[in-house]
Amino acid sequence: DAKTTQPNSMESNEEEPVHLPCNHSTISGTDYIHWYRQLPSQGPEYVIHGLTSNVNNRMASLAIAEDRKSSTLILHRATLRDAAVYYCILSSGSSNTGKLIFGQGTTLQVKP
Amino acid sequence: GEEVAQTPKHLVRGEGQKAKLYCAPIKGHSYVFWYQQVLKNEFKFLISFQNENVFDETGMPKERFSAKCLPNSPCSLEIQATKLEDSAVYFCASSQVRNQPQHFGDGTRLSIL
Repeated sequence: DAKTTQPNSMESNEEEPVHLPCNHSTISGTDYIHWYRQLPSQGPEYVIHGLTSNVNNRMASLAIAEDRKSSTLILHRATLRDAAVYYCILSSGSSNTGKLIFGQGTTLQVKP
Repeated sequence: GEEVAQTPKHLVRGEGQKAKLYCAPIKGHSYVFWYQQVLKNEFKFLISFQNENVFDETGMPKERFSAKCLPNSPCSLEIQATKLEDSAVYFCASSQVRNQPQHFGDGTRLSIL
């Protein structure tokens, strides 16, 4: 399974944009990039996913580098409720069993 | 239902006892996944089901752990002869199809004393 690397922690101010980076230099052509987040005392929550093109949804945007070796999750205006651990996960499109291989994630702190 | 429901929220067992955890996936979802979170950010995949059939069990410990998804019943994860190291939060997730986003329950915290 291809591996992802994320910073252990990041801080943001409320109502400012947040860019959460993820490196995945061993990504293969059929791997999807997924982002989940885990709020305190809850299960992980799906945020967004993509393959090659940038993606937008109501929660966030996903910017994928042209060579696909890195990606960035963008929260456009951070709120206190966005404080969570954010996980960047690769899943293989070719041999995909659907299982998610979580890394260490980035703990995001949002300051009022 | 519209949410993955896991019961109980918290389960306490003495070492050597049996533990059984339950998961009701979202109605209409064909895939169920079980994960174990031992430390704060460390998740481990255990097993997945496609309907009542085991799809991927590569993460399941060979001994003591078993799981089932039977028709018209919640899925279950059972641990025989529990050990202290089994203490963790166990999450269940479901998805409509294999590669679609997974919806997680709030987990069962298993404490082995």
